[in-house]
Amino acid sequence: VLTQSPGTLSLSPGERATLSCRASQTVSASYFAWYQQKPGQAPRLLIYTASSRAAGIPDRFSGSGSGTDFTLTIGRLEPEDFAVYYCQVYGPSSYTFGQGTKLEIK
Amino acid sequence: QVQLEQSGAEVMKPGASVKVTCRASGYTFTNYYIHWVRQAPGQGLEYMGIIYPRDGHVSYARKFQGRVTMTRDTTTSTAYMQLSSLGSDDTAVYYCAREIPNHCYFDNWGQGTLVTVSS
Repeated sequence: VLTQSPGTLSLSPGERATLSCRASQTVSASYFAWYQQKPGQAPRLLIYTASSRAAGIPDRFSGSGSGTDFTLTIGRLEPEDFAVYYCQVYGPSSYTFGQGTKLEIK
Repeated sequence: QVQLEQSGAEVMKPGASVKVTCRASGYTFTNYYIHWVRQAPGQGLEYMGIIYPRDGHVSYARKFQGRVTMTRDTTTSTAYMQLSSLGSDDTAVYYCAREIPNHCYFDNWGQGTLVTVSS
């Protein structure tokens, strides 16, 4: 099970965002990813292997973590960053998503 | 460029079956896995299962075993997901997504197919 916190994060453009994802048991960072989803759109891969940015993702997005605790950090929020963020892991033998964190404009 | 193009929205009666299509282009279909993920209105992402296009092998999430069937047609680079015995709680957007083998994340997604189950 993946538990994301907070459920909703209210920030202003230009601020720094820190999103958390906690696993109920140790998972491999090699199998950990983050996605962004905007209303009416499919999810988009942001981060894979816990800390590698996907193609075309701005460097204000960064991922870190290991074991059971993982973090997505957005350095300086741009207006287009306000969306829902999901973490995802593989293991054991299946794929699991967190419940999502909604990043909203304050 | 890589594209996963899904079939259009469906309205189904309770108890019926639905088959969603995902047509791949811009890459070699048999070299990547295809997964299916759904999202109920206002809810999060729910994993359904995987098909390996090269050999057709499938693995389904436990929740959907016995009710979901994933197939593929390599001649048209198309994956299919059929869900049977539909109930109102199956109303959702269904996505196909691609995985680089053994990378365990989804690098490209279809646009989604809304399936509405209503009497």
